[in-house]
This record gives sequence, C-alpha cells and structure tokens, in this order.
Amino acid sequence: KNQVEQSPQSLIILEGKNCTLQCNYTVSPFSNLRWYKQDTGRGPVSLTIMTFSENTKSNGRYTATLDADTKQSSLHITASQLSDSASYICVVSATPNFGNEKLTFGTGTRLTIIP
Amino acid sequence: DSGVTQTPKHLITATGQRVTLRCSPRSGDLSVYWYQQSLDQGLQFLIQYYNGEERAKGNILERFSAQQFPDLHSELNLSSLELGDSALYFCASSVDGLTRTEAFFGQGTRLTVV
Repeated sequence: KNQVEQSPQSLIILEGKNCTLQCNYTVSPFSNLRWYKQDTGRGPVSLTIMTFSENTKSNGRYTATLDADTKQSSLHITASQLSDSASYICVVSATPNFGNEKLTFGTGTRLTIIP
Repeated sequence: DSGVTQTPKHLITATGQRVTLRCSPRSGDLSVYWYQQSLDQGLQFLIQYYNGEERAKGNILERFSAQQFPDLHSELNLSSLELGDSALYFCASSVDGLTRTEAFFGQGTRLTVV
C-alpha cells in the first residue's frame, strides 16, 4: 500500500532558527516528490518538486533533499521567519505501468515560528 | 493569487441537502483536480479532469460527482450531505495534468453541514 509518513507532526521553533522536516514514503513505482506549504485555511503552494535523479533542490530558504534508495526526503528551512508558520505537506507520485499517475499525500507537519 | 478561482468561499447547509462547488482554472490550464481536507486531516484526492474528460478518480463517494465543462471550468456536486462532509474543498489546475507539472490551488470552499 502506498504511504507517506511525515515527522514530526508539529514543531515549534524560535524565529531565526533552522529546522528540518522529514518525509518517508513507500510509494512505488516512484515518479516524483513534491513539498507544499499550506497556510491555515488557504490552498497549498508548491515549494519544490524532485524526480528520481535529483538529490537536492532549493527554493530560497527552503532546501529539499531526496534519497530514492532509502525512500526519504527532507525539507530544510534556513533562518526561519514568522511567515514560515504553516503546514508543510509531502506528496509522492507513483506511475503504474498501466493507468494514471497516483498521488499520495502525507498528513503534514505543522510548523510554528515564535518571535 | 494562484489564478484558480473557487466559489463560494463559504457554504453552510443542512444535512440531506445538495450543493455545487465551482472552480475556474488558471487561463490555459486543461486539467482540474478536486480535493477534500477535513479538520486536522490531510488532503484527500477526489477526482481529476483533463480537457473535459475524467482522468483519475480517488476517494470520491458515490454521493459526490463532478464534471468539467467545455470552457474548462469544473463543478463538484455533493448530495445527501452528512455532518462528516464538512470540510475544505480545494480545486487545483495544471497545464497538462501530469504530476511533474506544477498544480496551482484555489483558496478553497469551506463547507459546513449542520
């Protein structure tokens, strides 16, 4: 069964500090992995997308890594800001041999930045 | 602003009723996705359309249905509503409906069933 597990469920850090969010998946066959940021009550916004051959991808202060062998991804946030307070969702896509691509969503990590 | 427009923003209705949620995709996007997000739950994929045709179906209940019209806007119909259907319903659109292509989300419709 395709699954995406994220940890921690929630995290509180001081403004200016760094943090790392984890995503472990058992989705197969793997196609790509995406990290989304979702502010409370708003639609998710894509941060990064990585395919099998990509190990790392950055978007400003956000850096995502992917280890396809261990089926793990991380999202590192540098020099956190109050506006980084949000839920971060890991989404993994599988491409079956026959049939459409299927997305599996993690339940997200709720990040709170405090001044 | 993602360019995806969802209406209405909020909807309150009684159990047993039927509602229609509307989504206008970004200009040029051919694919529309519908998602449900219950309180403190992750996003659940409901259904995807591409250029008017159903492309993929997720955990969509039989009481729910959707369609994409020739002008590419989409509607999600929810009938025989139950308290548990209360959730945020998101629409997303993308150019070609492939997961490696970025999908842009609307701001959602918050449905409350009382």
